[in-house]
Amino acid sequence: EPEVTQTPSHQVTQMGQEVILRCVPISNHLYFYWYRQILGQKVEFLVSFYNNEISEKSEIFDDQFSVERPDGSNFTLKIRSTKLEDSAMYFCASSEFQGSSYEQYFGPGTRLTVT
Amino acid sequence: GQQLNQSPQSMFIQEGEDVSMNCTSSSIFNTWLWYKQDPGEGPVLLIALYKAGELTSNGRLTAQFGITRKDSFLNISASIPSDVGIYFCAGLQGGSEKLVFGKGTKLTVNP
Repeated sequence: EPEVTQTPSHQVTQMGQEVILRCVPISNHLYFYWYRQILGQKVEFLVSFYNNEISEKSEIFDDQFSVERPDGSNFTLKIRSTKLEDSAMYFCASSEFQGSSYEQYFGPGTRLTVT
Repeated sequence: GQQLNQSPQSMFIQEGEDVSMNCTSSSIFNTWLWYKQDPGEGPVLLIALYKAGELTSNGRLTAQFGITRKDSFLNISASIPSDVGIYFCAGLQGGSEKLVFGKGTKLTVNP
């Protein structure tokens, strides 16, 4: 069964450093998303991406964040200058988002620890 | 606002018991999704609901899309130890791709 994959599973970085989190969405999906989950809290939407551009973003997704689809399979989230409060699980998701299917399928996540 | 109030926050039950949890909002949602999350893993989609009043089953799980479109319920029948985890409701509003999540219901099943 197709699934969303994410790398790395765990990333430790120092405050102020740049990180890139990588995702491979399900191959026939058209919409891609990043969410984050601070330990013990609910999952929060960051950004959605369609047709090579951001289609929707939350107030969390400020100028420190960017997303890119560098090739036909990868989808990345870059944090330019990490802060302690960026420590969280980051989930990539993908969806067909057409017809009657708005189901979003999540990857296993990348645990980002900023020290 | 776009808040989902999920209850209960946690449940401790005996194996074999039925479980019920729900999500409510002051806003209308067009799609309701229920996910299960195991520790350290990503949310796994259990059930998707698209129409007000819809009742959908997936094995021992049954979910309903409330008539007012402001609530949804998830029931688990005859619970087993592997049902342990955190269950999240999530909703989509018209014109938005953003999934709004509830805070989750943590389920513990005692064998």
